[in-house]
Amino acid sequence: ELKVEQNPLFLSMQEGKNYTIYCNYSTTSDRLYWYRQDPGKSLESLFVLLSNGAVKQEGRLMASLDTKARLSTLHITAAVHDLSATYFCAVDINAGGTSYGKLTFGQGTILTVHP
Amino acid sequence: DTAVSQTPKYLVTQMGNDKSIKCEQNLGHDTMYWYKQDSKKFLKIMFSYNNKELIINETVPNRFSPKSPDKAHLNLHINSLELGDSAVYFCASSQRFGSSSGDLEQFFGPGTRLTVL
Repeated sequence: ELKVEQNPLFLSMQEGKNYTIYCNYSTTSDRLYWYRQDPGKSLESLFVLLSNGAVKQEGRLMASLDTKARLSTLHITAAVHDLSATYFCAVDINAGGTSYGKLTFGQGTILTVHP
Repeated sequence: DTAVSQTPKYLVTQMGNDKSIKCEQNLGHDTMYWYKQDSKKFLKIMFSYNNKELIINETVPNRFSPKSPDKAHLNLHINSLELGDSAVYFCASSQRFGSSSGDLEQFFGPGTRLTVL
């Protein structure tokens, strides 16, 4: 059974600081997604990572994927208050290269950015 | 223009009742999903339909029955509601089911908060 683990689960940061959220998974996969969820809201897609070594950046967030280490990172640069949210990684099990969209989510990382 | 919509947004009901949640997507996707998010924010897939065909059916009590009248709609019917069914239920959709290349980015609806008293 695929396990997806994020750490840390809680992250309190000061504005302007940098930090990284880690997402480890237990089974071979080359499809990983990052989502953001604001309190009481839906999930917003941030990044789609589809191959080993994939790196994507949007504003102050950068995501990467290392399929050999089964690890993805979400790096936050110079955090601002607006980034406060819960961040989820999700891994897609693909059998023989074919994906069926069965996402397994990590526990989520609750990020709070303080002034 | 709402891409994935769900109704109702809130649902409060008594134990033992039967209720339905409706989902519609206007993205032209052919795959739709139901997820459950519990009180600890943990998200777990329940069902997936592709072109009205059930594809993913996780270990979910058979009191939960999805129905897809067409590929733009996926409804969730729950019989004999229990306290433990209280959660937020998200519908999602994607395209390229079964694709060996490209992404299956899933777009989520606003969620339905179900409270069973």
